[in-house]
Amino acid sequence: GAVVSQHPSWVICKSGTSVKIECRSLDFQATTMFWYRQFPKQSLMLMATSNEGSKATYEQGVEKDKFLINHASLTLSTLTVTSAHPEDSSFYICSASRDSLYGYTFGSGTRLTVV
Amino acid sequence: AQSVTQPDIHITVSEGASLELRCNYSYGATPYLFWYVQSPGQGLQLLLKYFSGDTLVQGIKGFEAEFKRSQSSFNLRKPSVHWSDAAEYFCAVGVETGTASKLTFGTGTRLQVTL
Repeated sequence: GAVVSQHPSWVICKSGTSVKIECRSLDFQATTMFWYRQFPKQSLMLMATSNEGSKATYEQGVEKDKFLINHASLTLSTLTVTSAHPEDSSFYICSASRDSLYGYTFGSGTRLTVV
Repeated sequence: AQSVTQPDIHITVSEGASLELRCNYSYGATPYLFWYVQSPGQGLQLLLKYFSGDTLVQGIKGFEAEFKRSQSSFNLRKPSVHWSDAAEYFCAVGVETGTASKLTFGTGTRLQVTL
């Protein structure tokens, strides 16, 4: 149990376009989902915390207008990178929490390349 | 603010040798501590976690970790490393923020296993 599916696995887009990444909890309801960004050979940096039915909470320094997060249901959260630029190229990972006891499950990540 | 330090960026061990990956944390309260493993281009898999109780925690794949409050450490160990253990290992500390529980990750240790 506790499977999180992240789609797409990789995407290449042109500069100025928008890209949507989906994170789904397949066999449980996730009250909270998290979005991370990981630069090559670096750690995961938390971008935002997404709670179902409410606005996401963004970490300091993360542009909320650029990284739009929607958590419309208990099994789906989406991250949209708007007007993408090459500096947005990175590995994005989501995680879903089933309960408050740190039942985190991570998705397999999305490699975004903006050209 | 909480922080996690993994002093070793890269470690190489021979297959069959023992392994210890270091992790030091900084947090004002009793920490919730985790070790995750990440294979290239993949998400994170939980190896083990410490909330309270026995300071020696057993995890999956033969890994264990020991919480030492006096040293603010949570080092990961394995008695005999297998070639399939080659991956990136992340230590993390969990923080309750009222509405969510967030993870702060260390910078990771890349493990290389030689045959």
